Amino acid sequence: GAGVSQSPSNKVTEKGKDVELRCDPISGHTALYWYRQSLGQGLEFLIYFQGNSAPDKSGLPSDRFSAERTGGSVSTLTIQRTQQEDSAVYLCASSQELAPLYEQFFGPGTRLTVL
Amino acid sequence: GQQLNQSPQSMFIQEGEDVSMNCTSSSIFNTWLWYKQDPGEGPVLLIALYKAGELTSNGRLTAQFGITRKDSFLNISASIPSDVGIYFCAGHLKAAGNKLTFGGGTRVLVKP
Repeated sequence: GAGVSQSPSNKVTEKGKDVELRCDPISGHTALYWYRQSLGQGLEFLIYFQGNSAPDKSGLPSDRFSAERTGGSVSTLTIQRTQQEDSAVYLCASSQELAPLYEQFFGPGTRLTVL
Repeated sequence: GQQLNQSPQSMFIQEGEDVSMNCTSSSIFNTWLWYKQDPGEGPVLLIALYKAGELTSNGRLTAQFGITRKDSFLNISASIPSDVGIYFCAGHLKAAGNKLTFGGGTRVLVKP
């Protein structure tokens, strides 16, 4: 079956521009997570959506970062006024409500490069 | 916040060797997870550990949840070339909701 998909796979942008990254979770998965992975580093939690509950935004590094999840499915991570330190791979994951919620399935990521 | 220290940061393997890596935390977790990430891909769950002291195997992989709940190790037996990649440990604390805390990863490379 289809896994988590993300688009674009690569994005190069100029400093100061806004970018939108998209995540399509596995069908039926109610939880969706965004992580950031800087070069050679582990994964840094950004934001988490679970069903109709208010998202857990505690990992967003600044107010330039925001995310939406429309219709309980597709999610968009938006970074406004990008900075060079935003360059990283942005990973999305989803999980089922009934499974242990930490068994997350990851997408391939979007590699963001800010020039 | 919680920190996970993963070691070694990188290692070289020769086909057939057993390898070991571990993860330590400054505080306890309720669940430990081990993921593998191949180049250009997202991490894939290898093993999940739910109880202190638990020892779990998945093929050539064996992982243990430390009795103190602050550490875990992963062993790979009889390594093969496709074992190359980055291995991440992750901890889950129920009080933190559904967030995972990830270690910095162990990069496994093949000896030239």
